[in-house]
Amino acid sequence: EPEVTQTPSHQVTQMGQEVILRCVPISNHLYFYWYRQILGQKVEFLVSFYNNEISEKSEIFDDQFSVERPDGSNFTLKIRSTKLEDSAMYFCASSGGPLDTQYFGPGTRLTVL
Amino acid sequence: GEDVEQSLFLSVREGDSSVINCTYTDSSSTYLYWYKQEPGAGLQLLTYIFSNMDMKQDQRLTVLLNKKDKHLSLRIADTQTGDSAIYFCAEAGTGRRALTFGSGTRLQVQP
Repeated sequence: EPEVTQTPSHQVTQMGQEVILRCVPISNHLYFYWYRQILGQKVEFLVSFYNNEISEKSEIFDDQFSVERPDGSNFTLKIRSTKLEDSAMYFCASSGGPLDTQYFGPGTRLTVL
Repeated sequence: GEDVEQSLFLSVREGDSSVINCTYTDSSSTYLYWYKQEPGAGLQLLTYIFSNMDMKQDQRLTVLLNKKDKHLSLRIADTQTGDSAIYFCAEAGTGRRALTFGSGTRLQVQP
């Protein structure tokens, strides 16, 4: 069964460093998403991406964040200068159509020291 | 903004039925989902319901939707120890792709 994969599973970084979280969505999906879950809090939407453009983003997704589909298979989330409060589990998801069910990856746990 | 609320914890005995409840505020919600998260794992889609339905059954899972009260429930029949996990309710409103999640209900199944 096709699935969304994410790497790395755990990333530790120093405050102020740039990190790139990687995702491989399900191969025939066209819509891609990033969510995050700070420990003990709700899963929060960050951004959705379609046709090489951001289609929707939340207030959390400020100028420190960017997304890219560098090739036909990967979808990345970059945080330019990490802050302590960026520590969270980051989930990638993909869907076949705009309102189709979103399938989630296993998450990347980001720890900012 | 939109909000989704769930109780935090539910404990049942193996073989009993579990009922996990969720309330939401967005009257334009068109799709409502249940996701399961096991320790160290991602969010696994369990089932979903469209807002024009009031019930959906899928093997041991029954989803009930009361649109008037904006209340969603997930019933797991014959609960097994392998059902122990966190269960998230999520909704998407008309034209929105962003899912709004509840805080999750931790289901503990006692042998």
